[in-house]
Amino acid sequence: DTGVSQDPRHKITKRGQNVTFRCDPISEHNRLYWYRQTLGQGPEFLTYFQNEAQLEKSRLLSDRFSAERPKGSFSTLEIQRTEQGDSAMYLCASSPGQGETYSPLHFGNGTRLTVT
Amino acid sequence: SQKIEQNSEALNIQEGKTATLTCNYTNYSPAYLQWYRQDPGRGPVFLLLIRENEKEKRKERLKVTFDTTLKQSLFHITASQPADSATYLCALHTGGFKTIFGAGTRLFVKA
Repeated sequence: DTGVSQDPRHKITKRGQNVTFRCDPISEHNRLYWYRQTLGQGPEFLTYFQNEAQLEKSRLLSDRFSAERPKGSFSTLEIQRTEQGDSAMYLCASSPGQGETYSPLHFGNGTRLTVT
Repeated sequence: SQKIEQNSEALNIQEGKTATLTCNYTNYSPAYLQWYRQDPGRGPVFLLLIRENEKEKRKERLKVTFDTTLKQSLFHITASQPADSATYLCALHTGGFKTIFGAGTRLFVKA
């Protein structure tokens, strides 16, 4: 178990630029989640994949945000035309499971985005 | 509206004492309640899960209680150590694919 890996760890970008983050889940986990966390708050759900299918998206995920998980392995989260309000820690998590069974989440250490 | 409430004020305790953290929720019917630990600059780490039909769960120095009538969970760390200093997050799973997190409580254990 090598854990959930996220890249980059930090990203500083200017307002209006596009950014892309990558997440490599634990290899045998078929479920993958993206969360966003701002200072003093808990993680907020953004989106969920079961294998390669994106099954749920939060209303927080505006049309500037898009996530993919090709082939059900790694995932990318892209933010287009970044705004200062997008500054946050973006966390990826994975878990095993099929159907309705629930398993706790294994988080990566996040990508800290700063939009200037 | 649906809310998960954890003490926003930090909890300061002396080493060796028991730390007790509270999680209250409204307008949820969680099937599972979990506690995670988060250190600065790191992702949350899963600690314990308790099901709606369980009253109490233990793991080493950790104990979680779950009262679905009061809509409350208590998280206890016995014989606390400075290394236990972190933010502790309460999380609910109510079905579907989302796990919802509280804002967390910061714990400081003084030597």
